[in-house]
Amino acid sequence: SAVISQKPSRDICQRGTSLTIQCQVDSQVTMMFWYRQQPGQSLTLIATANQGSEATYESGFVIDKFPISRPNLTFSTLTVSNMSPEDSSIYLCSVGVSGDYGYTFGSGTRLTVV
Amino acid sequence: AQSVTQLGSHVSVSEGALVLLRCNYSSSVPPYLFWYVQYPNQGLQLLLKYTSAATLVKGINGFEAEFKKSETSFHLTKPSAHMSDAAEYFCAVSFQGAQKLVFGQGTRLTINP
Repeated sequence: SAVISQKPSRDICQRGTSLTIQCQVDSQVTMMFWYRQQPGQSLTLIATANQGSEATYESGFVIDKFPISRPNLTFSTLTVSNMSPEDSSIYLCSVGVSGDYGYTFGSGTRLTVV
Repeated sequence: AQSVTQLGSHVSVSEGALVLLRCNYSSSVPPYLFWYVQYPNQGLQLLLKYTSAATLVKGINGFEAEFKKSETSFHLTKPSAHMSDAAEYFCAVSFQGAQKLVFGQGTRLTINP
């Protein structure tokens, strides 16, 4: 299965600022996803990162708040913009290969907004 | 809409006892089902997956799960719990053509010595 490097592993940020999270995969993958895990909660899909086109966002998530890039089949970034304490969560990158259905997750980015 | 329900947000068992974590799904099409484990301060690790082959699926660390279509269930079991099994467990589902995962609420497993 693919190996994911997600950076940073954690950060403490001031409200009103932005943080960009990187997801690097060691092989080309068909699908890349970004999830949010709020404290003590399950995982919620933010968006599907599409290579060469705009990301597909889930209900309740918008591009202005969570812009996503995916310039190639091995790399994606998620930016959390204009942060507030409510954005304090773990953000996880996930990848999948078409036909395999064994989605792999990165180790996550633990974000605290103060 | 498709969904996943995990019965019991917290399960506590004694070391050596049977582990049973429950997961039920709702779907109008055949699902693909997954169990993931999350250790403290770590990402998610795939335990096992069902993708329409054998209904009894064996995973890592001695875990297994059985897909029961009539009961719309995919419960996770392990015959004998070990202290290292203490973690958060998530059941998830994806559907043909949809690709994305929908997660259950999670079950925190505690192992008592």
